[in-house]
Amino acid sequence: EAQVTQNPRYLITVTGKKLTVTCSQNMNHEYMSWYRQDPGLGLRQIYYSMNVEVTDKGDVPEGYKVSRKEKRNFPLILESPSPNQTSLYFCASESQTSGKNEQFFGPGTRLTVL
Amino acid sequence: AQSVSQHNHHVILSEAASLELGCNYSYGGTVNLFWYVQYPGQHLQLLLKYFSGDPLVKGIKGFEAEFIKSKFSFNLRKPSVQWSDTAEYFCAVILPDSSYKLIFGSGTRLLVRP
Repeated sequence: EAQVTQNPRYLITVTGKKLTVTCSQNMNHEYMSWYRQDPGLGLRQIYYSMNVEVTDKGDVPEGYKVSRKEKRNFPLILESPSPNQTSLYFCASESQTSGKNEQFFGPGTRLTVL
Repeated sequence: AQSVSQHNHHVILSEAASLELGCNYSYGGTVNLFWYVQYPGQHLQLLLKYFSGDPLVKGIKGFEAEFIKSKFSFNLRKPSVQWSDTAEYFCAVILPDSSYKLIFGSGTRLLVRP
């Protein structure tokens, strides 16, 4: 089944404790992206990647890092989480060659930073 | 500022009522337009999209949207809603020079009462 998976789905942590949220897609998509969803703000892009080893900042990149060493994986790293990073995080991927212009979203990771 | 606006934050309807959710964008030129739906506890799914051609776009589950260029609008409609349509709906655009970056509205929460 074609899908985008994220782990963990739920995470409660404390300020300053480094964490990684994994994202993996099995559709051989070139493009991957991370969004955070906050009430009343919709989804905002954190980082994106056009392909392996190609990443760039989105609209709200502060406090986050990403890497794209393999095509299927795009982990989101919070080196020193803070309470304002409490949010719902979505990973998405899209094919650049299919011409369908549809992003597929993962199930979301709900992060709480105390 | 350039943005995507969804003016209805919460909508409550009874089953069989007609639905129209507003979406306006403030970008000039050609944009690609999308409606995504997020059912409770689930990830975002694409309802429909508009790139060019017929401004009346039909999507899944009986939804349609009309692109009105002069009004910078892309309103979502459904003639008769069902309880299962209870979800959050997001309008989004992709600007022509930004490849795959989705810019989302703040979302509209729809509650359909049986």
